[in-house]
Amino acid sequence: SAVISQKPSRDICQRGTSLTIQCQVDSQVTMMFWYRQQPGQSLTLIATANQGSEATYESGFVIDKFPISRPNLTFSTLTVSNMSPEDSSIYLCSVEVARGGYGYTFGSGTRLTVV
Amino acid sequence: AQTVTQSQPEMSVQEAETVTLSCTYDTSENNYYLFWYKQPPSRQMILVIRQEAYKQQNATENRFSVNFQKAAKSFSLKISDSQLGDTAMYFCAFMKATGANSKLTFGKGITLSVRP
Repeated sequence: SAVISQKPSRDICQRGTSLTIQCQVDSQVTMMFWYRQQPGQSLTLIATANQGSEATYESGFVIDKFPISRPNLTFSTLTVSNMSPEDSSIYLCSVEVARGGYGYTFGSGTRLTVV
Repeated sequence: AQTVTQSQPEMSVQEAETVTLSCTYDTSENNYYLFWYKQPPSRQMILVIRQEAYKQQNATENRFSVNFQKAAKSFSLKISDSQLGDTAMYFCAFMKATGANSKLTFGKGITLSVRP
């Protein structure tokens, strides 16, 4: 299955600033998924990033707050814009392991703290 | 829409003992996949086991096995011979079998602590 490199692994940011998280996959994948995991909570899908088109956002998430880039089939970025303490979470990227319901593999996550 | 429910927020088990983690789900789909993921303190999400809904046989992976009850929409995880390294948060997840890149829906998770 694919191996994902995600960075940064953690960051502490000032409110009002932005942070860009990068995910690099070691193989070409059609779609990449971005999740948020708030402290002690489950994973919530933010958006699906498809190469060559705009990302598809889930209810409650908007492009202005979480712009996503997908310049090629192995790379994607998620930006958390105009951050507030409520954005403090773990952010994870994910790709499908293989067709046929084999699940998804995840990056190691970015722990973001906004102060 | 699918929902996944993990009603136990946390559990504790003695090392070498057996523990069962509960999960129920709700869906109108007939064909789907179910998963258990483990998230240790390192934050890495690790796939523990998967079950195909059209298979009646329960999946097993070494010390991990599931009890899949399709009619009851129940999907519990049994961990045998618990080890300290099993200490982690465990998430039950659902995925429709509608082709590639179907979304994962996660339960709230359960924190499992293995005591030495």
